[in-house]
Amino acid sequence: DQQVKQNSPSLSVQEGRISILNCDYTNSMFDYFLWYKKYPAEGPTFLISISSIKDKNEDGRFTVFLNKSAKHLSLHIVPSQPGDSAVYFCAASAGGGTSYGKLTFGQGTILTVHP
Amino acid sequence: DAGITQSPRHKVTETGTPVTLRCHQTENHRYMYWYRQDPGHGLRLIHYSYGVKDTDKGEVSDGYSVSRSKTEDFLLTLESATSSQTSVYFCAAGDRTGLRDGYTFGSGTRLTVV
Repeated sequence: DQQVKQNSPSLSVQEGRISILNCDYTNSMFDYFLWYKKYPAEGPTFLISISSIKDKNEDGRFTVFLNKSAKHLSLHIVPSQPGDSAVYFCAASAGGGTSYGKLTFGQGTILTVHP
Repeated sequence: DAGITQSPRHKVTETGTPVTLRCHQTENHRYMYWYRQDPGHGLRLIHYSYGVKDTDKGEVSDGYSVSRSKTEDFLLTLESATSSQTSVYFCAAGDRTGLRDGYTFGSGTRLTVV
């Protein structure tokens, strides 16, 4: 039972254009969402997060939008650069106490930015 | 270099043998996690720790055990390795700010069980 889904295995965009990566979730208890980027043979690197009490968070070229009623979030990268080519993972967290910080990940989306 | 170090980076082992992977952090983080990455599944949580000697199971914990005797070290043991445990294993660490600021991941251990 996949609680976090990234339905697009891959995305290809032109340099300078917008990249939009999507993520859907089913667990209404999720209260924090994170995006990670991963290059081959490296560990995931944190990009941006959003709390469920917000609907938008922005950091430089990266913006995450959260639509709680649709249980959907998206990551926008503007403008896209060739160095952004990587696998992007959406992750969600629910609960506190000793379960704090346990992340449920989506399957990932491979982003390719062409020069 | 501060951060998270995983060892070994690569390992090939035979079915039925025990294997221990090590995660070492230098940031004094309270929370530590072990994930495995497999095609089509993203990363899945194996075990996690919320303090020294305090550990609990994740969603794919069968066949794995962990120990945390010091803040900086979190060990993952495969009691008797099976081919289904061939995977890339990642360790992560962070504190209460981790959901806002992100958890730091190690570079991973590629384990092959033959």
